[in-house]
Amino acid sequence: GQQVMQIPQYQHVQEGEDFTTYCNSSTTLSNIQWYKQRPGGHPVFLIQLVKSGEVKKQKRLTFQFGEAKKNSSLHITATQTTDVGTYFCAGPLPTDSWGKLQFGAGTQVVVTP
Amino acid sequence: NAGVTQTPKFQVLKTGQSMTLQCAQDMNHEYMSWYRQDPGMGLRLIHYSVGAGITDQGEVPNGYNVSRSTTEDFPLRLLSAAPSQTSVYFCASRQTMTGGNQPQHFGDGTRLSIL
Repeated sequence: GQQVMQIPQYQHVQEGEDFTTYCNSSTTLSNIQWYKQRPGGHPVFLIQLVKSGEVKKQKRLTFQFGEAKKNSSLHITATQTTDVGTYFCAGPLPTDSWGKLQFGAGTQVVVTP
Repeated sequence: NAGVTQTPKFQVLKTGQSMTLQCAQDMNHEYMSWYRQDPGMGLRLIHYSVGAGITDQGEVPNGYNVSRSTTEDFPLRLLSAAPSQTSVYFCASRQTMTGGNQPQHFGDGTRLSIL
């Protein structure tokens, strides 16, 4: 079955530094979504990528969808303490007409002031 | 806007007890789902529904039942609680049924401990 994998599992970042987290699927995805979950909170939708090679930016966050639509990345520049949380990617199961999402295990981000 | 509302927020059960986790949404979303979140395992789909009267199993359905009598409500029932069901449970809803190309809206979660 489809596997959605995220690396790294943990990311310790000094405030002000940049980092990237990666999402890889074993199958081609029709789209990919990214969510952020603050500690003790619930996942909140950030963005959706649909087109091959698509790049979208939200302030200091840059999201990219791979050319083969099997991988995606989230790059955060000038990390701030507000970026603390777990970032999940999710893709719809390819054989499912209802578009059930499979979530990656997430990248937990810790920011050191 | 209330969005997705889950109750209770916290619950402690003894092994063998049953209970129902409540979920309600006020966005007229057709698609609703239940996930459990365990450390290092992300979000795993338990059950989902594509409309009133229609439900189906997800990745980890054993030990759980659901029903969807109205568009708004999607309760999750634990039949006989086991320690392995200790987890954080999230209910989510989204606008359309097909394609999976709409963002999911999550409730605040229910933190459940089974002793």
